[in-house]
Amino acid sequence: NAGVMQNPRHLVRRRGQEARLRCSPMKGHSHVYWYRQLPEEGLKFMVYLQKENIIDESGMPKERFSAEFPKEGPSILRIQQVVRGDSAAYFCASSPGASVPREQYFGPGTRLTVT
Amino acid sequence: GQSLEQPSEVTAVEGAIVQINCTYQTSGFYGLSWYQQHDGGAPTFLSYNALDGLEETGRFSSFLSRSDSYGYLLLQELQMKDSASYFCAVRAPNTGFQKLVFGTGTRLLVSP
Repeated sequence: NAGVMQNPRHLVRRRGQEARLRCSPMKGHSHVYWYRQLPEEGLKFMVYLQKENIIDESGMPKERFSAEFPKEGPSILRIQQVVRGDSAAYFCASSPGASVPREQYFGPGTRLTVT
Repeated sequence: GQSLEQPSEVTAVEGAIVQINCTYQTSGFYGLSWYQQHDGGAPTFLSYNALDGLEETGRFSSFLSRSDSYGYLLLQELQMKDSASYFCAVRAPNTGFQKLVFGTGTRLLVSP
């Protein structure tokens, strides 16, 4: 049973470009969470999605950031017009439904570098 | 809102026991979790306490005191591979406690 998959693992973008990060949840999981981790810091919640619905986006910047989890295919976190401050590791986690902590499984992360 | 405090770094030697503390402030409480993260790796779930007391899982134990808003992770028989960052986390009360709020992490360095 494959775990949570994220791609790409490393992404380099120049300032002003767009970054697209993909997350495929574990099989049977319908809930996806995105977190951002700046160097030497803890993970910060960004957005919580279920299939075709954004449930909580309270941690996501209002501009340039968007997320989706379509009926078919992976969840996508999109960052438009990236700036240096967007450089971070972006992790997604998935769970089968309303979860207790052990049921939120994390992917390996995408490390975004903005030059 | 929620906030969690942890020591930034702890050092210990192989075979020793180490305790990583976590104090939290939260407007609603739904349990304290612990995660391990190796450099460049993903957070891995270690332990969860919803009620006061000690939970033991092999070499790792976690303790919670809700009246003191305090918990700790205890690592016994330390091994070199335990060198990693350790995060405590609570669930935020909005949206059905689905959102994890993490502490800033404690970097554990295990030396021979």
